[in-house]
Amino acid sequence: AQSVTQPDIHITVSEGASLELRCNYSYGATPYLFWYVQSPGQGLQLLLKYFSGDTLVQGIKGFEAEFKRSQSSFNLRKPSVHWSDAAEYFCAVGARGYNKLIFGAGTRLAVHP
Amino acid sequence: NAGVTQTPKFQVLKTGQSMTLQCAQDMNHNSMYWYRQDPGMGLRLIYYSASEGTTDKGEVPNGYNVSRLNKREFSLRLESAAPSQTSVYFCASSAGTSGHNEQFFGPGTRLTVL
Repeated sequence: AQSVTQPDIHITVSEGASLELRCNYSYGATPYLFWYVQSPGQGLQLLLKYFSGDTLVQGIKGFEAEFKRSQSSFNLRKPSVHWSDAAEYFCAVGARGYNKLIFGAGTRLAVHP
Repeated sequence: NAGVTQTPKFQVLKTGQSMTLQCAQDMNHNSMYWYRQDPGMGLRLIYYSASEGTTDKGEVPNGYNVSRLNKREFSLRLESAAPSQTSVYFCASSAGTSGHNEQFFGPGTRLTVL
């Protein structure tokens, strides 16, 4: 069965520091991978997605993620965090012919000034 | 375009009461979804509708019913609310049913059952 693990429940970084949020998935074939962000009191917004091809994908708001098949990972990165990045981040996996997304439990990011 | 809209934004119910959460999308999407979000558990799929006229159970369907009223609207009904249904409910839509389709989310309904 598909599953998604986000090992870090909470992460705190200083403004201007780099960020990496971890995501590991379990799936037999090449999955479709997504990162969503949820600001407080809001719905989810898509940051980026990976389907195939280049394993480094660029998203909105300066985020990028790298697909590593050997590690079953799809980690989200940002070189320099802004206070407005404080939010909850969800990794999700989908599959061809499978019309549901499986979400991880989320990582809550706090940004210190 | 409003995207995905949900009503109400907040609701407090007593145990045993019923209510319907409304969802509408204006993107001409075929597929619609209902999720619940609980702390530490991410989003869990309650029901989905791959296309107008079809609905299917997701991961946590017990205690809920859905209606795909037309292509735009997908409602979620709690017939007899229980405290375990206290949660934030999100509606989403996507263009197609394959897993590569981006899902667009509404702002959510925060439901408390006393």
